[in-house]
Amino acid sequence: DTGVSQDPRHKITKRGQNVTFRCDPISEHNRLYWYRQTLGQGPEFLTYFQNEAQLEKSRLLSDRFSAERPKGSFSTLEIQRTEQGDSAMYLCASSFETGTLYEQYFGPGTRLTVT
Amino acid sequence: GQSLEQPSEVTAVEGAIVQINCTYQTSGFYGLSWYQQHDGGAPTFLSYNALDGLEETGRFSSFLSRSDSYGYLLLQELQMKDSASYFCAVSGGNKLVFGAGTILRVKS
Repeated sequence: DTGVSQDPRHKITKRGQNVTFRCDPISEHNRLYWYRQTLGQGPEFLTYFQNEAQLEKSRLLSDRFSAERPKGSFSTLEIQRTEQGDSAMYLCASSFETGTLYEQYFGPGTRLTVT
Repeated sequence: GQSLEQPSEVTAVEGAIVQINCTYQTSGFYGLSWYQQHDGGAPTFLSYNALDGLEETGRFSSFLSRSDSYGYLLLQELQMKDSASYFCAVSGGNKLVFGAGTILRVKS
């Protein structure tokens, strides 16, 4: 399978704990995005990488959220001191650098439940 | 900023044609995309319109009118497997800004 993969698929954690999610994009893709999706809503942008450089971060993203893409391949999204409001599906997407921004390939997501 | 409006839910019967509308407001427009998402699944890219007019891909077509800030997704010969959420999206810098989505329910 050469699609975007995410791990874990589900995560249940207690409020106040830290969690980390991993995304492996399609290997030829330079661009990597993180989105958050809650029930009944569309994906909401969190952050964007081109290769290893984090070029944009949503103003909605608090300091508790951090993302890395150390070698321009896989990426991690960490949430520190989780809150119940962080419960959502976290989606990763990737696209070609020279391709259109509009055609992004999404992974299956990590569903986070904060109790 | 960017904002998009689409109907929350549409119901149609198998074999019929359905149109899902999307109106948008954006400071800089580069095109309108459509994505499909089945329950519990990942969003998948369907189509993209940068210019006015109709783009056809099999049973699915997408239309754009930049002067009206309006587009639609047209699904023909509906099948049960088309039951899903459909999102329109516009560019906001380096990211996509999605609408809230339209749930399409196909009945037999």
